[in-house]
Amino acid sequence: DGGITQSPKYLFRKEGQNVTLSCEQNLNHDAMYWYRQDPGQGLRLIYYSQIVNDFQKGDIAEGYSVSREKKESFPLTVTSAQKNPTAFYLCASSSQGANEKLFFGSGTQLSVL
Amino acid sequence: GQNIDQPTEMTATEGAIVQINCTYQTSGFNGLFWYQQHAGEAPTFLSYNVLDGLEEKGRFSSFLSRSKGYSYLLLKELQMKDSASYLCAVRVPGAGNMLTFGGGTRLMVKP
Repeated sequence: DGGITQSPKYLFRKEGQNVTLSCEQNLNHDAMYWYRQDPGQGLRLIYYSQIVNDFQKGDIAEGYSVSREKKESFPLTVTSAQKNPTAFYLCASSSQGANEKLFFGSGTQLSVL
Repeated sequence: GQNIDQPTEMTATEGAIVQINCTYQTSGFNGLFWYQQHAGEAPTFLSYNVLDGLEEKGRFSSFLSRSKGYSYLLLKELQMKDSASYLCAVRVPGAGNMLTFGGGTRLMVKP
């Protein structure tokens, strides 16, 4: 079955530690996105990538980094510079085209120890 | 910047009809999406509007007025499982095809 997979489901970060969230898709989508969701809030865009080896900052990129070395993969690193990392992180992908919907992964809940 | 507004919470009764409104002010418009999200889960796609008017899909309908920057999601014959957050999102041209989301409306369906 085609889909988008995020791992792990839950992740804990210690002070000063970098952690990486995995996102893999087998939908052959060109575009991939990372959103952050705080409790009771909407989704805010962290980074997006429209093509391999290229990515752009979203609205809240500070303290995060990404890479897009393969079409299928778009990992997100939460660095120690992100002082308030506790949130629900959602990865999404889509085909190009204005009417194309986003498909979401099941999310990663990141908490600080 | 982009501004998308939705009510924070709504409550309705099982079997009833509820309308969730969304207003937007964005630098361009390439379509409006509605997603449903149960707590701790991924958002799932409900509807897409790009032209004015009503799109009907089973118990769910979505309406768009581009001149008013306004959309609503109409849920009929409410069921307990419809208790979830409903997210309104707008696609803005030239922004990587991404969606800009409103804060979401948490709907509670009561017996």
